[in-house]
Amino acid sequence: TQLLEQSPQFLSIQEGENLTVYCNSSSVFSSLQWYRQEPGEGPVLLVTVVTGGEVKKLKRLTFQFGDARKDSSLHITAAQPGDTGLYLCAGEEGAQKLVFGQGTRLTINP
Amino acid sequence: EAGVAQSPRYKIIEKRQSVAFWCNPISGHATLYWYQQILGQGPKLLIQFQNNGVVDDSQLPKDRFSAERLKGVDSTLKIQPAKLEDSAVYLCASSLGYRVGYTFGSGTRLTVV
Repeated sequence: TQLLEQSPQFLSIQEGENLTVYCNSSSVFSSLQWYRQEPGEGPVLLVTVVTGGEVKKLKRLTFQFGDARKDSSLHITAAQPGDTGLYLCAGEEGAQKLVFGQGTRLTINP
Repeated sequence: EAGVAQSPRYKIIEKRQSVAFWCNPISGHATLYWYQQILGQGPKLLIQFQNNGVVDDSQLPKDRFSAERLKGVDSTLKIQPAKLEDSAVYLCASSLGYRVGYTFGSGTRLTVV
């Protein structure tokens, strides 16, 4: 099983600031998915990136897949308290199997 | 479309007791997964089904955990006997196919005392 390392593990910033979360692996994935999880709920899919170098935007969130398909980043512009949560990256191996990183716990303070 | 249904939401048992969790995936989703999420960690795959066949159970502790998916729809995950380290959230997810992402249920929070 391939491993995914997320950094930072914890991040607490003020409303309006920008931030970037990283997801790194030494292995290649067929796709990279980002999920957001709130307390007491299951993870919710934000985006799937498939092609090396691909960039996807979801309102204030920008997701990028590395050229070699081994790493990804999530950038949030002008963070809001509603962005608070656990952000998980997950790499897809063969046969539709997802391997998750340990998560980044993000807190946006008003 | 209805989401992935799981029950119960919470369960507290004593060590060495048995427990079972139930999952009903999204209609038409052939692939079903059970993940274990320990507090502060990302989810870890326990077992993956394709229809009613097992695709991957390499990380399932088979001496105490078992799972089945009857008729390729609902699934149950059982732990017998439970240990303290089994305290975690058990997540069920289903998927329509390759590269399209998973839909997760809300999970069952198990506490073993």
